[in-house]
Amino acid sequence: AQSVTQLDSHVSVSEGTPVLLRCNYSSSYSPSLFWYVQHPNKGLQLLLKYTSAATLVKGINGFEAEFKKSETSFHLTKPSAHMSDAAEYFCVVRNYGQNFVFGPGTRLSVLP
Amino acid sequence: GAVVSQHPSWVICKSGTSVKIECRSLDFQATTMFWYRQFPKQSLMLMATSNEGSKATYEQGVEKDKFLINHASLTLSTLTVTSAHPEDSSFYICSARGQLSGETQYFGPGTRLLVL
Repeated sequence: AQSVTQLDSHVSVSEGTPVLLRCNYSSSYSPSLFWYVQHPNKGLQLLLKYTSAATLVKGINGFEAEFKKSETSFHLTKPSAHMSDAAEYFCVVRNYGQNFVFGPGTRLSVLP
Repeated sequence: GAVVSQHPSWVICKSGTSVKIECRSLDFQATTMFWYRQFPKQSLMLMATSNEGSKATYEQGVEKDKFLINHASLTLSTLTVTSAHPEDSSFYICSARGQLSGETQYFGPGTRLLVL
């Protein structure tokens, strides 16, 4: 079975400081992993994905994530937060042939 | 590329009426479409998966006679909430996956349904 844990339901950072959103997964196989962002009352936008290529994945808007198999983690980072980054972030895991499994989400607040 | 639209973006209806939500892939052919439901401050819950030309596969606990899904073409899927009740009020989001997108799902902007 596959599952996703996002350790923080809410993260608050100051504008210009680094962002770290944590994600841990459990999977019986080598999974594919995704990060999506959702702004209020909007659909989800793909930030980045890992599909068994390079373990450090670069996404849009300056975000990146590193796949660490030994730690079963796929944390999302950004060097410098911008006000427009305030949103809900979902970590997603998928085994081959299976459906997406969503984490509970982390709400990111960016303080001026 | 990989744009998915939904219509309407929000709808208010009376209890007992039916509501149809459209999901379209604008610039790619969606071999598979997914319908999710999202409650306030919660994650997405998969309702059903539909492949073009086939019957939808519903997740456990989702009433297929209440949530009718049609995927008649490679660019359009519809979700009809039949005999809607206030507890059906929610945010409904569709996503689409095509042959060229691999396993990545592209999401629509969502439809807010309020049943009075």
